[in-house]
Amino acid sequence: EPEVTQTPSHQVTQMGQEVILRCVPISNHLYFYWYRQILGQKVEFLVSFYNNEISEKSEIFDDQFSVERPDGSNFTLKIRSTKLEDSAMYFCASTDTSYGYTFGSGTRLTVV
Amino acid sequence: AQKVTQAQTEISVVEKEDVTLDCVYETRDTTYYLFWYKQPPSGELVFLIRRNSFDEQNEISGRYSWNFQKSTSSFNFTITASQVVDSAVYFCALSEDSGAGSYQLTFGKGTKLSVIP
Repeated sequence: EPEVTQTPSHQVTQMGQEVILRCVPISNHLYFYWYRQILGQKVEFLVSFYNNEISEKSEIFDDQFSVERPDGSNFTLKIRSTKLEDSAMYFCASTDTSYGYTFGSGTRLTVV
Repeated sequence: AQKVTQAQTEISVVEKEDVTLDCVYETRDTTYYLFWYKQPPSGELVFLIRRNSFDEQNEISGRYSWNFQKSTSSFNFTITASQVVDSAVYFCALSEDSGAGSYQLTFGKGTKLSVIP
């Protein structure tokens, strides 16, 4: 069964550093998403991406965040200058035309 | 604005007991999708079911069953004869067209289920 692949599975970074989280969505899916889950809390929508541009973003997705599809397969989330409160599990997801959601296994980001 | 409420924060049951996890949602749309996900301690989100708003048929999959009732805006999840491996956090989620064409998910806060041997 097709999967959404996320790398790395765990990343530790120092406060103020830039991080890039990587995702390979399912190839024939059209919409791509990033979600965030702070430890012990609910999963929250960050951003959706379609046709090489952001289609919607939440209040969480401020100027520190950016997304990109640098080639035909990868989908990245960049955090420019990490803060302690950015520590969370980040999930990538993609959907097909029937809106079947597939999540990746997540990247656990720890900011120290 | 859409909203998902999982009133049960934590539930503990003894193995082999049945347990029902409640989910109540709010939406103004007539077309929407409801989901359940399981999150084991390893952290990934495991898809369990998706239901669209036009399909109110209840569904059974092995020990799992779901009761969708539009009249009460509820989509409850029952595990029959619970097992220790069912211990996890369970999330209910709602998806509707945001107007921008994407179907972002709104999650509930989750219910932590502990099954005691």
